[in-house]
Amino acid sequence: DIQMTQSPSSVSASVGDRVTITCRASQSFASWLAWYQQKPGKAPKLLIYAASSLQSGVPSRFSGSGSGTDFSLTISSLQPEDSATYFCQQAHTFPYTFGQGTKLEIK
Amino acid sequence: QVQLQQWGAGLLKPSETLSLTCAVYGGSFSGYYWSWIRQPPGKGLEWIGEINDSGSTTYNPSLKSRVTISGDTSKHQFSLRLNSVTAADTAVYYCARDSSSPQAGYFDYWGQGTLVAVSS
Repeated sequence: DIQMTQSPSSVSASVGDRVTITCRASQSFASWLAWYQQKPGKAPKLLIYAASSLQSGVPSRFSGSGSGTDFSLTISSLQPEDSATYFCQQAHTFPYTFGQGTKLEIK
Repeated sequence: QVQLQQWGAGLLKPSETLSLTCAVYGGSFSGYYWSWIRQPPGKGLEWIGEINDSGSTTYNPSLKSRVTISGDTSKHQFSLRLNSVTAADTAVYYCARDSSSPQAGYFDYWGQGTLVAVSS
C-alpha cells in the first residue's frame, strides 16, 4: 500500500494567516492526489483533486500543489470556518489510502 | 443535487455481520463507481472497496476476505457486508461517489455516515 504522511499533525493559526499542510507519499504517482476537509460529526468534503484542481464551490483561498511524492494544501487567508481536520488521499493505486489528518485550529 | 442516504444496524456483537445500504438520489447511478470508507473514532479514513453499475468490485486487501459490496441498479442502491466483526471494526462507515465517470478515485459526494459499534 502507498503510505501517506501528513505534517504537521496539528496547527494553530490566526484569521488572515497563510497556512500550508504537507503530504508525502511513500511512492511516486504524478498528480493523483486529493485533499478533504472534515468538520466534527460530518463527512469529509472534497476540496482539491488531481493535486491542484479546485472542486466546484470551494473558495479560491484553498489551493493545492505538488507532484510525485510531495504535495501541499495552502489556505491563503485563514477564515474562522476553516477550523477542521484536513486529509490527503492518493487515487493512483488500489487500495486508495489517506493521510492521518491535520487538525487546524483558529487562535 | 446528488444525495447519498445510508442506513444499517449500529450495534453488533463480535462475530456478527455488519450490513449497510446506501441509496443514491438526484443523480445517475450508472457510469460511476461507488465506495465504502470507514473511520474509527478519532482516527483516519480507510477505503474499504468499490462497485460500479456493472457489478464490478475492488476491495482493500486488508478486508477482502470478509467484505462483500453489492449493488442494485434498479433501486440506485449499493450495500456493504462485513463478516465476523470484532471491536477493531468499530467505526463510522461512509458511502461515497467517485467524482468522475469513468473513475477518477476522488470522492465528491458522501453519505451522512453510520456509527457501527462492536461490543459484547
